[in-house]
Amino acid sequence: KAGVTQTPRYLIKTRGQQVTLSCSPISGHRSVSWYQQTPGQGLQFLFEYFSETQRNKGNFPGRFSGRQFSNSRSEMNVSTLELGDSALYLCASRAQGADTEAFFGQGTRLTVV
Amino acid sequence: EDKVVQSPLSLVVHEGDTVTLNCSYEVTNFRSLLWYKQEKKAPTFLFMLTSSGIEKKSGRLSSILDKKELFSILNITATQTGDSAVYLCAVCGSNYKLTFGKGTLLTVNP
Repeated sequence: KAGVTQTPRYLIKTRGQQVTLSCSPISGHRSVSWYQQTPGQGLQFLFEYFSETQRNKGNFPGRFSGRQFSNSRSEMNVSTLELGDSALYLCASRAQGADTEAFFGQGTRLTVV
Repeated sequence: EDKVVQSPLSLVVHEGDTVTLNCSYEVTNFRSLLWYKQEKKAPTFLFMLTSSGIEKKSGRLSSILDKKELFSILNITATQTGDSAVYLCAVCGSNYKLTFGKGTLLTVNP
């Protein structure tokens, strides 16, 4: 059973550019959540998609957006990049149901210069 | 807003020591509490605790949930250098949202 796949693994962008990250969940999982991780801040919740609908949203500016496709793959977009957006972006997939664990991908390391 | 607080933020011990990591939470419509271990990039799942399962044990690791006092602890006995990692606590609340704490960085020295 394939795990959660995130692409690309590493990315270097310039301030002001935009970036799109991709996450393919475990087959059969319909929930995909995105997190930003920076040193000392833990995993900060960005948003969650379930069956192509945004089910939850964190407290990030509108420059951060996402979507989910019918095959449950999800993309996250960040526009007008800032230096502070440099972070590890993790996505997690879950099966349907409340009491299920989330499985994480290896993350995308974004560096904004 | 859901909140998860972990303590201590970091901990250094010697091999063979026993450690206790703490996680307190405030969440609307509590569904479950999860513990993860993060060594390099992807956090890996350790335990899930729910109203119907407030104690879990796997080898040297164990965890309990106190729903009344709103906290959980993760115990690691006879620590090994391979236990060195960040341990993350997360709570699943309203609308199935998972909220994480900042983690505890555990360093086990030989």
